Amino acid sequence: QQQVKQSPQSLIVQKGGISIINCAYENTAFDYFPWYQQFPGKGPALLIAIRPDVSEKKEGRFTISFNKSAKQFSLHIMDSQPGDSATYFCAARSSGSARQLTFGSGTQLTVLP
Amino acid sequence: EAGVVQSPRYKIIEKKQPVAFWCNPISGHNTLYWYLQNLGQGPELLIRYENEEAVDDSQLPKDRFSAERLKGVDSTLKIQPAELGDSAVYLCASSRNRGGYNEQFFGPGTRLTVL
Repeated sequence: QQQVKQSPQSLIVQKGGISIINCAYENTAFDYFPWYQQFPGKGPALLIAIRPDVSEKKEGRFTISFNKSAKQFSLHIMDSQPGDSATYFCAARSSGSARQLTFGSGTQLTVLP
Repeated sequence: EAGVVQSPRYKIIEKKQPVAFWCNPISGHNTLYWYLQNLGQGPELLIRYENEEAVDDSQLPKDRFSAERLKGVDSTLKIQPAELGDSAVYLCASSRNRGGYNEQFFGPGTRLTVL
């Protein structure tokens, strides 16, 4: 069974701090690892994504670190802001014709002002 | 560019009643997805359409759920009869199939409450 395990379930960070969310997967056939951000009452929106042949990808304050041998990847939010308060989902896409996204269970991030 | 449109946004029904959700994808997006999102969980795929063809419906509970995408544009997801456990958010997403990674754009969802 394809699974993506995400932790922590909730995270509280002070403004300006670093938020770190971790994910682990089992299926080595995953070939793409996106992170989604979801605000209350909205659908998830793509935040940043990485392919397994890259160990790190940075876009502004958001960085994905990828460890292929450990089958783990993480999202780092630098200089966290109250506007970053949302639920974050990691996901993994299966290779082949299915191209199905499997999502983690989500992390509710609260950034205190 | 308009995003994915879903209606209704909220629906409250009694168990055993039928319910239908409607989705209008982003113009030009030939792939359409329906997801189920339970409270505190990530989205789970129910069905995926390539144009008007359902190419992945293995996760759709076919005894009570049905979906259609006539003319390869709008889609409707139906539950009949609804059960208490069907209370969740139903998300629609669409993408443009160009090979490689095709970003999925999500609608705001329909929150279903079954009493």
